[in-house]
Amino acid sequence: KAGVTQTPRYLIKTRGQQVTLSCSPISGHRSVSWYQQTPGQGLQFLFEYFSETQRNKGNFPGRFSGRQFSNSRSEMNVSTLELGDSALYLCASSLDGRSSYEQYFGPGTRLTVT
Amino acid sequence: DQQVKQNSPSLSVQEGRISILNCDYTNSMFDYFLWYKKYPAEGPTFLISISSIKDKNEDGRFTVFLNKSAKHLSLHIVPSQPGDSAVYFCAAGLNDYKLSFGAGTTVTVRA
Repeated sequence: KAGVTQTPRYLIKTRGQQVTLSCSPISGHRSVSWYQQTPGQGLQFLFEYFSETQRNKGNFPGRFSGRQFSNSRSEMNVSTLELGDSALYLCASSLDGRSSYEQYFGPGTRLTVT
Repeated sequence: DQQVKQNSPSLSVQEGRISILNCDYTNSMFDYFLWYKKYPAEGPTFLISISSIKDKNEDGRFTVFLNKSAKHLSLHIVPSQPGDSAVYFCAAGLNDYKLSFGAGTTVTVRA
């Protein structure tokens, strides 16, 4: 079965702009989580969605937002981009979202803010 | 606040020998622990996990050990193979729909 897909794979934006990233989970998976990966920081949890509802959120400013659609596809949006937002953004899907359920990651979207 | 820490950013090991990766955590409420492996330009892939009610879980060449009193987790890879060269992330969860990850350890297996 097809894996988690993320679009676009690469993105270059300017400070102050906004960006929308997209994630399509594995068919049948209803939980989608988003993570930010920066060098030396590992993966930082952004938020998790299940059946269009956000169930948990990490410690990121309100400029970071997300949503999930009825087909489980998810988008995340970052407004008023800052240089520090340059990172790899990873999306992961699972059946349920609980830590005991394996999460499957997409290849990520590499965002560069100049 | 980094609740999961991997204090060794890198590890170099000879092919055929054992690789030992370490992970420490601060939240005693974590009830599930996982290891992920990541190659460049790919997303992390699940490797092995362990519930807090166990102290060891084995899957082929990979064994995870959990020491709850020390809040310490380790991953043993025996024997190490060139294809094991990757970044390894330790993660922990509370079943609250969120995983906390360490910063990762880059493993290089030398021929």
